[in-house]
Amino acid sequence: EAGVAQSPRYKIIEKRQSVAFWCNPISGHATLYWYQQILGQGPKLLIQFQNNGVVDDSQLPKDRFSAERLKGVDSTLKIQPAKLEDSAVYLCASSPSGVAGGPQETQYFGPGTRLLVL
Amino acid sequence: DAKTTQPTSMDCAEGRAANLPCNHSTISGNEYVYWYRQIHSQGPQYIIHGLKNNETNEMASLIITEDRKSSTLILPHATLRDTAVYYCIVRRSGSARQLTFGSGTQLTVLP
Repeated sequence: EAGVAQSPRYKIIEKRQSVAFWCNPISGHATLYWYQQILGQGPKLLIQFQNNGVVDDSQLPKDRFSAERLKGVDSTLKIQPAKLEDSAVYLCASSPSGVAGGPQETQYFGPGTRLLVL
Repeated sequence: DAKTTQPTSMDCAEGRAANLPCNHSTISGNEYVYWYRQIHSQGPQYIIHGLKNNETNEMASLIITEDRKSSTLILPHATLRDTAVYYCIVRRSGSARQLTFGSGTQLTVLP
């Protein structure tokens, strides 16, 4: 079974530029998550999709971040304009979304995109 | 979701058992204990989870105390590849809830 795919793996931009990250979840997984991980910290949820609808975007800085999941499969996360504090690893995860506590709730993470804003 | 407390770092000799503790004293009855780990430059990886009973899989064992206020992840024969940050997460039941990560425990397996 193929894992969660993300691209690019690394990106360096200057502040005020825009950037986009792409995620392809595991086939058949209904739920997709974007997490931000700042160096030395655990990942923090930015947005969660269930199929192509947003479930939780309460921690997404909506003045500069946007995300979409067209057709309930792939997803794109965009930052425009980027700030220095956006330097982080952006992780995409997916889960089948099944019975509480069962293996269906396990989240599978991609390798992440490492963003450096100069 | 209940908050967890883990030591910042631990060392373990290669081949020995690694025992990683986690306190979750405010856990409620419908909250599960999950363990993930993150090897350097990779995304987090699921290890194991449990509700009340001890659990074992091919990667690790999870021991949950009877009052459920703490748990221990056991890697029975640690290898150098087990060096990673280990996250203990308490998560309410319900489909597709987000994971709330703390700072985790940096486990270093020494040769």
